[in-house]
Amino acid sequence: DAGVIQSPRHEVTEMGQEVTLRCKPISGHDYLFWYRQTMMRGLELLIYFNNNVPIDDSGMPEDRFSAKMPNASFSTLKIQPSEPRDSAVYFCASSLGPLNSPLHFGNGTRLTVT
Amino acid sequence: AQSVAQPEDQVNVAEGNPLTVKCTYSVSGNPYLFWYVQYPNRGLQFLLKYITGDNLVKGSYGFEAEFNKSQTSFHLKKPSALVSDSALYFCAVRDRDTNAGKSTFGDGTTLTVKP
Repeated sequence: DAGVIQSPRHEVTEMGQEVTLRCKPISGHDYLFWYRQTMMRGLELLIYFNNNVPIDDSGMPEDRFSAKMPNASFSTLKIQPSEPRDSAVYFCASSLGPLNSPLHFGNGTRLTVT
Repeated sequence: AQSVAQPEDQVNVAEGNPLTVKCTYSVSGNPYLFWYVQYPNRGLQFLLKYITGDNLVKGSYGFEAEFNKSQTSFHLKKPSALVSDSALYFCAVRDRDTNAGKSTFGDGTTLTVKP
């Protein structure tokens, strides 16, 4: 298996622009997570899905952020409009159904908003 | 609510010496505990996990971790550190009793192993 695939690896955009981050989880995994990593805040859980259904979005910073999972093999995280403080590395991770299963992370998208 | 604390931002050890990276957790139910490692410009990689049973868990690359229920701790250990072990280490918890699936991570500990 190719693992969790995220695109793009790097994104540089100007403040006010829309940004869409993409994730393809490992086939057969039931859970999908979106995390954000910064030096100041560490690793923050933004939202997670179980069987394509959002379970907990309490970590989404504000209404500018939205996430979708239209099917088991694809998810997007959208920021509209983007702001400089959104600059971070965004990780997608997936796991099997049993809760004792570890998370498998993609290599992340490094977002820079100027 | 669940949480993880890694009290040390940085741990420095000499190559060949034993290492310990500390982790304490809080969950309302019983925990599943995990350790992950992150190398520069990469995602987190799974090292080992505690599910139930033996309190000493062995994982990848010679790492092990000891679960202590009374102290709510899950410290990562290795008997002899290598320079290549230098990386960022994360402890994580999932509450197996809530069935919610949420995975909470600590703030990470940077391990530096010097030759």
